[in-house]
Parts: sequence; C-alpha cells; structure tokens
Amino acid sequence: AQSVTQPDIHITVSEGASLELRCNYSYGATPYLFWYVQSPGQGLQLLLKYFSGDTLVQGIKGFEAEFKRSQSSFNLRKPSVHWSDAAEYFCAVGTTGTASKLTFGTGTRLQVTL
Amino acid sequence: NAGVMQNPRHLVRRRGQEARLRCSPMKGHSHVYWYRQLPEEGLKFMVYLQKENIIDESGMPKERFSAEFPKEGPSILRIQQVVRGDSAAYFCASSPAGQNYGYTFGSGTRLTVV
Repeated sequence: AQSVTQPDIHITVSEGASLELRCNYSYGATPYLFWYVQSPGQGLQLLLKYFSGDTLVQGIKGFEAEFKRSQSSFNLRKPSVHWSDAAEYFCAVGTTGTASKLTFGTGTRLQVTL
Repeated sequence: NAGVMQNPRHLVRRRGQEARLRCSPMKGHSHVYWYRQLPEEGLKFMVYLQKENIIDESGMPKERFSAEFPKEGPSILRIQQVVRGDSAAYFCASSPAGQNYGYTFGSGTRLTVV
C-alpha cells in the first residue's frame, strides 16, 4: 500500500526567505503526486500536481515541486515566502487505476514571521 | 460557477444521535469522494461514489457509516449513533468523469460530538 511521509510537523520562516517542505512517498509504480494547501477552517486547494513528464512542476502562488524518483521525494519549494503563505501544507499520492483515491501525509504547518 | 458545496459547515450532535452530511458536487461533476480529517492528522479516504453507485468504500468504517449519491440531489454521508471519536472534519471532493484526480474540494463539515 502507498504511504506519504512529511517529516516536518511545523516550520517557521521569515517573510522573504526561501521555503522547502519535504515529502517522501512509498509506492511500487510511478505515482501521481500532489501538494495541497489548507488555511484554517477551510478546504484544500491544489497547489500543483505531477503525473508524468518534466520532473519540475510549477504551481500556483509561485510554488514549485521536484519529483525525484531515486529519492522517492516530491519536495515543495518557494523562493520567497509571503505572510499569506502561512497555512497547513499536505502532500498526497495517488495510485494508478480507476479509484482515484489519494493518500495524504500528516501535513506541515508553516508559520511566517514578519 | 459554484464550487463543491457542503452543508452544514458545523454540526453538533450528542452521543447516540445521527449525523447527516451533504455534498453537492460542482456542476458537471459526476464523481464524489469523501475524506475524514481527524485533529492533527491528514485526510483519510472514506468512499468514492458515482451517481447511484458506490465504487470504492474501502475506507469506510464497517459499522454506523453509510454513503449515497442518488440520481437527483446531493451526496449524503450518514453516521448513525455517533460517538466522540467521530468528531472530525469531513471533506467532500468532486471530479468530472474521465479525469482521474481532477478533484475540487469543498470547505468541509466540522462534526463535534458532545
């Protein structure tokens, strides 16, 4: 069965600093990979996804992620964080097949200091 | 173009009562997914439905939980005889047919069992 690990429960960065959120997955085949963001009391918004092709994926709000098969990783990056980026970030893996169900990591809470 | 609508946003039930959570998918979406988010955890898949069919219910607890997506009307997640451990945020997502992982999430229903 597939699984997702987000090793950092909580990260604090200064506004304007760069950001990298880690995600490692376990899945036997080529996975579908996703990053979602959740603001307090809100639903999830898709930041970006990887299905195939170019391993560097660009998303919304200036985020990008790189799929590294050799490391089973899909880390999320942003070169300059804004205070409005403070939220919870979830990495998820999807399996091939028709079920289209996602397995989520436990999330990383990002705090941005001014 | 309304997104995925979930209601109610907040629901309080006493132990032993029934909880009914509703999800209206985006217009044109015929696939619905339910996920549960326990405090401080990621989302866990519960069930995947198409109109009048349950496709995958591998994440549903064996007892007290049921889901439906009738031909007309919203999808309903029903929890009978709620217990404190059912307190969580329940998210619905919808996608168009033929687009695996073309999810749009709703804002969730936060169930509190007292």
